[in-house]
Amino acid sequence: DAGVTQSPTHLIKTRGQQVTLRCSPKSGHDTVSWYQQALGQGPQFIFQYYEEEERQRGNFPDRFSGHQFPNYSSELNVNALLLGDSALYLCASSWGGDSYEQYFGPGTRLTVT
Amino acid sequence: RKEVEQDPGPFNVPEGATVAFNCTYSNSASQSFFWYRQDCRKEPKLLMSVYSSGNEDGRFTAQLNRASQYISLLIRDSKLSDSATYLCVVNIGQTGANNLFFGTGTRLTVIP
Repeated sequence: DAGVTQSPTHLIKTRGQQVTLRCSPKSGHDTVSWYQQALGQGPQFIFQYYEEEERQRGNFPDRFSGHQFPNYSSELNVNALLLGDSALYLCASSWGGDSYEQYFGPGTRLTVT
Repeated sequence: RKEVEQDPGPFNVPEGATVAFNCTYSNSASQSFFWYRQDCRKEPKLLMSVYSSGNEDGRFTAQLNRASQYISLLIRDSKLSDSATYLCVVNIGQTGANNLFFGTGTRLTVIP
Protein backbone atom coordinates (compact mmCIF):
# COMPACT_ATOMS: atom_id res chain seq x y z
CA ASP A 1 0.00 0.00 0.00
CA ALA A 2 1.83 3.10 -1.24
CA GLY A 3 1.88 6.03 1.09
CA VAL A 4 1.86 9.70 0.15
CA THR A 5 4.62 10.57 -2.29
CA GLN A 6 5.98 14.00 -3.21
CA SER A 7 8.38 15.30 -5.82
CA PRO A 8 10.92 16.70 -6.02
CA THR A 9 12.65 16.08 -2.71
CA HIS A 10 14.69 19.26 -2.83
CA LEU A 11 14.52 22.35 -4.99
CA ILE A 12 16.54 25.54 -5.26
CA LYS A 13 15.03 28.58 -7.00
CA THR A 14 15.81 32.27 -7.22
CA ARG A 15 13.57 35.16 -6.24
CA GLY A 16 10.87 35.94 -8.78
CA GLN A 17 10.80 32.47 -10.27
CA GLN A 18 7.87 30.09 -10.27
CA VAL A 19 7.80 26.55 -8.85
CA THR A 20 5.51 23.52 -9.12
CA LEU A 21 5.45 20.80 -6.48
CA ARG A 22 3.69 17.47 -6.91
CA CYS A 23 1.89 15.05 -4.63
CA SER A 24 0.30 11.63 -5.01
CA PRO A 25 -2.09 10.67 -2.19
CA LYS A 26 -2.16 7.44 -0.27
CA SER A 27 -4.09 4.70 -2.02
CA GLY A 28 -7.82 5.05 -1.33
CA HIS A 29 -7.60 8.72 -0.36
CA ASP A 30 -9.34 11.43 -2.38
CA THR A 31 -8.45 14.62 -0.50
CA VAL A 32 -5.14 16.45 -0.59
CA SER A 33 -4.03 19.24 1.74
CA TRP A 34 -0.90 21.32 1.43
CA TYR A 35 1.11 22.79 4.29
CA GLN A 36 4.12 25.05 4.59
CA GLN A 37 6.55 24.38 7.45
CA ALA A 38 9.18 27.00 8.16
CA LEU A 39 12.19 26.05 10.25
CA GLY A 40 11.28 25.70 13.93
CA GLN A 41 7.56 26.11 13.29
CA GLY A 42 4.61 23.78 12.97
CA PRO A 43 3.06 23.21 9.54
CA GLN A 44 0.76 26.00 8.33
CA PHE A 45 -2.30 25.09 6.26
CA ILE A 46 -2.22 26.44 2.69
CA PHE A 47 -5.27 24.85 1.05
CA GLN A 48 -7.16 21.63 0.53
CA TYR A 49 -8.41 19.99 -2.67
CA TYR A 50 -11.34 17.64 -2.97
CA GLU A 51 -13.14 16.55 -6.14
CA GLU A 52 -10.71 18.66 -8.17
CA GLU A 53 -11.75 21.87 -6.42
CA GLU A 54 -10.20 24.01 -3.71
CA ARG A 55 -12.40 23.34 -0.70
CA GLN A 56 -10.67 25.39 1.97
CA ARG A 57 -7.85 27.89 2.04
CA GLY A 58 -5.57 29.17 4.75
CA ASN A 59 -4.05 32.62 5.06
CA PHE A 60 -1.76 32.52 2.04
CA PRO A 61 -1.59 35.01 -0.86
CA ASP A 62 -2.86 34.32 -4.37
CA ARG A 63 0.72 33.58 -5.44
CA PHE A 64 -0.02 30.14 -4.02
CA SER A 65 -2.32 28.13 -6.23
CA GLY A 66 -3.06 24.51 -6.80
CA HIS A 67 -4.74 21.86 -8.80
CA GLN A 68 -6.12 18.40 -8.29
CA PHE A 69 -6.31 15.86 -11.11
CA PRO A 70 -8.95 13.15 -11.71
CA ASN A 71 -6.58 10.54 -10.22
CA TYR A 72 -6.55 12.65 -6.99
CA SER A 73 -2.92 13.70 -7.37
CA SER A 74 -2.23 17.37 -6.81
CA GLU A 75 0.14 20.21 -7.64
CA LEU A 76 1.10 23.28 -5.67
CA ASN A 77 2.27 26.28 -7.67
CA VAL A 78 4.02 29.29 -6.21
CA ASN A 79 4.60 32.36 -8.39
CA ALA A 80 6.97 35.29 -7.88
CA LEU A 81 8.99 33.47 -5.25
CA LEU A 82 10.18 35.39 -2.20
CA LEU A 83 13.02 34.52 0.14
CA GLY A 84 10.38 33.92 2.82
CA ASP A 85 8.89 31.11 0.77
CA SER A 86 11.85 28.92 1.70
CA ALA A 87 10.36 26.07 3.71
CA LEU A 88 9.38 22.42 3.77
CA TYR A 89 6.19 21.94 1.78
CA LEU A 90 4.14 19.02 3.01
CA CYS A 91 1.30 17.27 1.28
CA ALA A 92 -1.21 15.29 3.34
CA SER A 93 -3.93 13.00 2.10
CA SER A 94 -7.16 11.85 3.68
CA TRP A 95 -10.52 10.47 2.74
CA GLY A 96 -13.14 13.16 2.18
CA GLY A 97 -15.79 11.43 4.24
CA ASP A 98 -15.76 11.44 8.01
CA SER A 99 -12.08 10.79 8.58
CA TYR A 100 -10.09 13.71 9.97
CA GLU A 101 -6.83 11.81 10.06
CA GLN A 102 -4.32 13.01 7.53
CA TYR A 103 -1.23 11.18 6.34
CA PHE A 104 1.78 13.22 5.34
CA GLY A 105 4.28 12.78 2.55
CA PRO A 106 8.03 13.30 3.11
CA GLY A 107 7.84 16.87 1.85
CA THR A 108 9.67 19.03 -0.66
CA ARG A 109 12.34 21.30 0.75
CA LEU A 110 12.32 24.56 -1.22
CA THR A 111 15.17 27.03 -0.92
CA VAL A 112 14.77 30.46 -2.50
CA THR A 113 18.00 32.42 -3.00
CA ARG B 1 -3.66 34.87 19.09
CA LYS B 2 -2.49 31.55 17.65
CA GLU B 3 -5.06 28.79 17.14
CA VAL B 4 -2.88 26.29 19.00
CA GLU B 5 -0.20 27.09 21.58
CA GLN B 6 2.43 24.77 23.00
CA ASP B 7 5.48 25.13 25.17
CA PRO B 8 8.31 24.67 22.64
CA GLY B 9 10.64 23.15 25.23
CA PRO B 10 13.14 21.65 24.85
CA PHE B 11 12.43 18.95 27.39
CA ASN B 12 15.51 16.88 28.27
CA VAL B 13 14.63 13.85 30.39
CA PRO B 14 16.47 10.68 31.44
CA GLU B 15 15.42 7.28 30.18
CA GLY B 16 12.57 5.88 32.23
CA ALA B 17 11.20 9.27 33.23
CA THR B 18 7.61 10.39 32.85
CA VAL B 19 7.08 13.58 30.86
CA ALA B 20 3.94 15.60 30.13
CA PHE B 21 3.22 18.06 27.34
CA ASN B 22 0.42 20.59 27.38
CA CYS B 23 -1.38 22.48 24.69
CA THR B 24 -4.19 25.03 24.54
CA TYR B 25 -6.46 25.92 21.63
CA SER B 26 -8.42 29.10 21.04
CA ASN B 27 -11.40 28.04 18.92
CA SER B 28 -14.21 26.52 20.99
CA ALA B 29 -15.72 25.11 17.77
CA SER B 30 -12.75 22.79 17.33
CA GLN B 31 -13.96 19.33 16.49
CA SER B 32 -11.14 16.88 16.82
CA PHE B 33 -7.71 16.74 18.33
CA PHE B 34 -4.49 14.87 17.72
CA TRP B 35 -0.91 14.48 18.73
CA TYR B 36 1.57 14.07 15.89
CA ARG B 37 5.21 13.15 16.19
CA GLN B 38 7.86 14.64 13.92
CA ASP B 39 11.43 13.36 13.78
CA CYS B 40 14.20 15.68 12.63
CA ARG B 41 13.83 16.54 8.93
CA LYS B 42 10.96 14.07 8.51
CA GLU B 43 7.24 14.43 7.97
CA PRO B 44 4.74 14.52 10.86
CA LYS B 45 3.20 11.17 11.73
CA LEU B 46 -0.01 10.63 13.64
CA LEU B 47 0.74 9.46 17.18
CA MET B 48 -2.79 9.35 18.55
CA SER B 49 -6.17 10.97 18.45
CA VAL B 50 -7.44 12.64 21.61
CA TYR B 51 -10.92 11.98 22.98
CA SER B 52 -12.90 13.68 25.71
CA SER B 53 -12.90 10.50 27.77
CA GLY B 54 -9.12 10.29 27.54
CA ASN B 55 -7.30 7.53 25.75
CA GLU B 56 -4.23 5.43 26.26
CA ASP B 57 -1.92 3.64 23.84
CA GLY B 58 0.80 1.72 25.64
CA ARG B 59 3.05 4.22 27.38
CA PHE B 60 1.17 7.20 25.92
CA THR B 61 -1.91 8.81 27.46
CA ALA B 62 -3.81 11.72 25.93
CA GLN B 63 -6.40 13.88 27.67
CA LEU B 64 -8.80 16.56 26.44
CA ASN B 65 -10.54 19.18 28.55
CA ARG B 66 -13.07 20.97 26.35
CA ALA B 67 -14.15 23.38 29.08
CA SER B 68 -10.58 24.65 29.50
CA GLN B 69 -9.66 24.11 25.82
CA TYR B 70 -6.64 22.14 26.94
CA ILE B 71 -4.97 18.99 25.61
CA SER B 72 -2.22 16.94 27.22
CA LEU B 73 0.09 14.08 26.35
CA LEU B 74 1.78 11.93 28.99
CA ILE B 75 4.68 9.63 28.14
CA ARG B 76 5.63 7.08 30.76
CA ASP B 77 8.92 5.14 30.97
CA SER B 78 10.59 7.30 28.29
CA LYS B 79 12.74 5.54 25.70
CA LEU B 80 15.61 6.97 23.67
CA SER B 81 13.43 6.41 20.59
CA ASP B 82 10.83 8.82 21.98
CA SER B 83 13.18 11.73 21.18
CA ALA B 84 11.29 13.85 18.64
CA THR B 85 9.12 16.93 18.34
CA TYR B 86 5.52 16.44 19.47
CA LEU B 87 2.93 18.52 17.65
CA CYS B 88 -0.46 19.35 19.14
CA VAL B 89 -3.04 19.48 16.35
CA VAL B 90 -6.61 20.73 16.23
CA ASN B 91 -9.15 20.28 13.47
CA ILE B 92 -11.39 23.30 12.95
CA GLY B 93 -12.84 22.05 9.68
CA GLN B 94 -16.30 22.49 8.27
CA THR B 95 -18.61 19.51 8.03
CA GLY B 96 -17.23 17.16 5.40
CA ALA B 97 -14.04 19.12 5.18
CA ASN B 98 -10.99 19.07 7.35
CA ASN B 99 -7.91 21.11 7.91
CA LEU B 100 -5.46 20.91 10.71
CA PHE B 101 -3.98 23.67 12.85
CA PHE B 102 -0.61 22.75 14.30
CA GLY B 103 1.17 24.06 17.33
CA THR B 104 4.85 24.91 16.98
CA GLY B 105 5.74 21.61 18.60
CA THR B 106 7.48 20.58 21.81
CA ARG B 107 10.92 19.11 21.42
CA LEU B 108 11.77 16.10 23.60
CA THR B 109 15.23 14.61 24.06
CA VAL B 110 15.52 11.44 26.11
CA ILE B 111 19.00 11.09 27.59
CA PRO B 112 20.70 7.75 28.30
